[in-house]
This record gives sequence, C-alpha cells and structure tokens, in this order.
Amino acid sequence: RKEVEQDPGPFNVPEGATVAFNCTYSNSASQSFFWYRQDCRKEPKLLMSVYSSGNEDGRFTAQLNRASQYISLLIRDSKLSDSATYLCVVNDYKLSFGAGTTVTVRA
Amino acid sequence: EAQVTQNPRYLITVTGKKLTVTCSQNMNHEYMSWYRQDPGLGLRQIYYSMNVEVTDKGDVPEGYKVSRKEKRNFPLILESPSPNQTSLYFCASSSTAQEEKLFFGSGTQLSVL
Repeated sequence: RKEVEQDPGPFNVPEGATVAFNCTYSNSASQSFFWYRQDCRKEPKLLMSVYSSGNEDGRFTAQLNRASQYISLLIRDSKLSDSATYLCVVNDYKLSFGAGTTVTVRA
Repeated sequence: EAQVTQNPRYLITVTGKKLTVTCSQNMNHEYMSWYRQDPGLGLRQIYYSMNVEVTDKGDVPEGYKVSRKEKRNFPLILESPSPNQTSLYFCASSSTAQEEKLFFGSGTQLSVL
C-alpha cells in the first residue's frame, strides 16, 4: 500500500464551482500534513498546512480526519487560475508525497 | 531574491555518459534534497543532506551520487545514466530538516536514450 494516496482526477469543474478531494495516508503516527500546488511540471509550491482543527485560507479549506486517516482540500468559487495539480504531503519522520490530484477549471 | 537554482532545465543524453545536475540555494538553508517525479508515482526522494558533508540515501538512491562540500551547493551525479533514469528531477531546500516548507528548484527534465 502506498504511504500517501490520492485520486488522480482529473476534476473538471466550471468557474465558480466548488471542488473537493481527499488524500489518504497509511501511517497513523504521521505528524503533520500539507497541500502543495504544482503547475504543469513546474516546481511544487506550498499551498497550505493542514491543522487538526482544520484551516482556511481564502477560498481554500483543508481538513484533517485522523480517525479515518485522510486529509481533504476544498476549493470554493473556483477560478481558472486554480487549474493545477495538488499534491498531498505527509510528514511521518520524512516527507512523503502523493502523486497528485489534477483540477481543471473551465470558463 | 531567495531561490533554489537548478541547471540545466532540459537534458538529453545517452546511456553511460556521466552527467551532473547542479543545485544551488542562496537562503543559507541547512537541509537540501533531490527528488524525481514520474507519472503516477509522486515525488520520490533520491538523496538528502542535513548539512555540509552530511548526506544520506532517500527512497530511490540507486544509480545516483551527491556531494555537499559547501552549504549552498548540492549537485546530483549520474555516473552511468540508464533509460530508467529518464525523469523530472527537483532539488529542494529548507532551513532545517524539521522545517517542512520546502523551496524547490525549477526542475530538470532528463531523457536518457
């Protein structure tokens, strides 16, 4: 079983829609969690950390469910510029990356 | 400007011809790392370095070498490249190994024929 698993998508959504997707992790002792954004084979960039209480950054909301061992990312009011691949990253003494979920926002 | 500089951006080579991908950061970061990214597999760590003269294997170190003689530089060396090393490579750095925000270089697309 992979350490970090993501639905590869793609999620094709119209502008203004809400899109949400999850990431599951295998190590229950994982310490911290992140979402990175990657545009078309460019370098990944940190989007947001995921806290136990959940956190929000503008149109982006991240949640952690330790009992079921998954984290989620929700994007509200999608913009064309949100089109990207979103990488789930889990820290269990080292950083483990998911393969990414591709989101395409269409006009 | 704080950045991780990685060169070259694209590289096509032939099997067995030694090559080096350079990586340099100007943020005085202690921790540096190399990843490869392949479709459906996510980023996999090749080697990492906690500080000068300290390097360790990651998940997929076979066929690669690294060195960390200076804090800012962390080159990736392929002594005898093979086609299965065709991949997208990223160098990354952070202030410490515990610092979880990684700064990535712009990537090197390597093709080994």
